[in-house]
Amino acid sequence: GDSVTQMEGPVTLSEEAFLTINCTYTATGYPSLFWYVQYPGEGLQLLLKATKADDKGSNKGFEATYRKETTSFHLEKGSVQVSDSAVYFCALSENAGGTSYGKLTFGQGTILTVHP
Amino acid sequence: DGGITQSPKYLFRKEGQNVTLSCEQNLNHDAMYWYRQDPGQGLRLIYYSQIVNDFQKGDIAEGYSVSREKKESFPLTVTSAQKNPTAFYLCASSAGGSSTDTQYFGPGTRLTVL
Repeated sequence: GDSVTQMEGPVTLSEEAFLTINCTYTATGYPSLFWYVQYPGEGLQLLLKATKADDKGSNKGFEATYRKETTSFHLEKGSVQVSDSAVYFCALSENAGGTSYGKLTFGQGTILTVHP
Repeated sequence: DGGITQSPKYLFRKEGQNVTLSCEQNLNHDAMYWYRQDPGQGLRLIYYSQIVNDFQKGDIAEGYSVSREKKESFPLTVTSAQKNPTAFYLCASSAGGSSTDTQYFGPGTRLTVL
């Protein structure tokens, strides 16, 4: 079945440091890939997405490129801020031969803490 | 403003009781979903609905039930058959249920069994 694996956390960085959170996936078809962010006590918000190979999603300084050859969708940001402290989830939605229903399969989440 | 509302924010249940979690959306979305989140884990799909009066089981449907009588509403009942219901429950919706559609999430309901 489909699965998503994220790098082990938590991740602790100083403000303005470079961020990478690794995400790899296993899927049988041609999934869409997503990064969601969750702030304490809240629901998830879409950060960015990519729907086909080599697409780059970007938002708020975050980027991720859909790499089919390495089945990866790593999240990067050049300079993190304290306000980026949150839990980040990588997820995929499988396009199972036209019978997809949009089910998201999530990684376990990576806690990011940014210190001033 | 369009969005998804969930109520209540916190819910306490005694052993053996059924409880119903509310989810309402005014985004005019066809598809709606219920996920469960446990500490240190990703979200897992409980039930989903792509259209009014139709819904399907997700990966962990045992002990849960849903209804979809209106497009904007998708309530989840946690029954006494659910052995470990304490968790954070998240409702989501998307325009059409396609794999490329973005799912929009509500703020969640935290259920605690006493």
